[in-house]
Amino acid sequence: QVQVQESGPGLVRSSEPLSLSCTVSGGSISNSYWSWVRQTPLKGLEWIGYIYDGAGTNYNPSFRSRVTISGDRSKDQVSLNVKSVTAADTGTYYCARKISGKAAFDIWGPGTVVAVSS
Amino acid sequence: SYVLTQPPSVSVAPGQTANILCGENNIGGRTVHWYQQRPGQAPVLVVYSDSDRPSGIPERFFGSNSGKTASLTITGVEAGDEADYFCQAWDTDTNNYVFGTGTKVTVL
Repeated sequence: QVQVQESGPGLVRSSEPLSLSCTVSGGSISNSYWSWVRQTPLKGLEWIGYIYDGAGTNYNPSFRSRVTISGDRSKDQVSLNVKSVTAADTGTYYCARKISGKAAFDIWGPGTVVAVSS
Repeated sequence: SYVLTQPPSVSVAPGQTANILCGENNIGGRTVHWYQQRPGQAPVLVVYSDSDRPSGIPERFFGSNSGKTASLTITGVEAGDEADYFCQAWDTDTNNYVFGTGTKVTVL
């Protein structure tokens, strides 16, 4: 059974970069679409972007200028990097797998909470 | 940008039927998926491709889509169904996955 676990620093200072990691166990990031989705009090659930087969990427236009998603097939890990955070980035960040051939997410990690301090 | 509007809340007595709407006549023929999110937990897919259920999801969860408005119906509501429910679709205009505003289902 595929399981997902996100990890991150928890607390980040405003204007600093943010790096989150997602580790997949019982499965692989190869030949799958893995997305980052966040949930904030202001905007609710937002799709940030995905990586396919640990390499190809696509981003929500709202995030494209300041985020990068990368993958490490050898570790079955997907990472999210945000260049510079603001208070509006405070929320819970999820790693989720898209069903093959569908636009729905069938496997989610428990999420990692990010708080941005001033 | 494309917005999927949902009613903020729905209240239902145990054993009754809850109906959650998504889109307010602007689904635009898009395929809709539904998620259940209990407090402090990650979303769980309960319906995909308008009306299909993932393995393990009870038949009490039923999805439909008229092309203008999508809906999730929960029959025989139980206390454990109390959660937030979100619809979601792929917006081809912006190549973006869009989530609904969410509906809190309260079991009376």
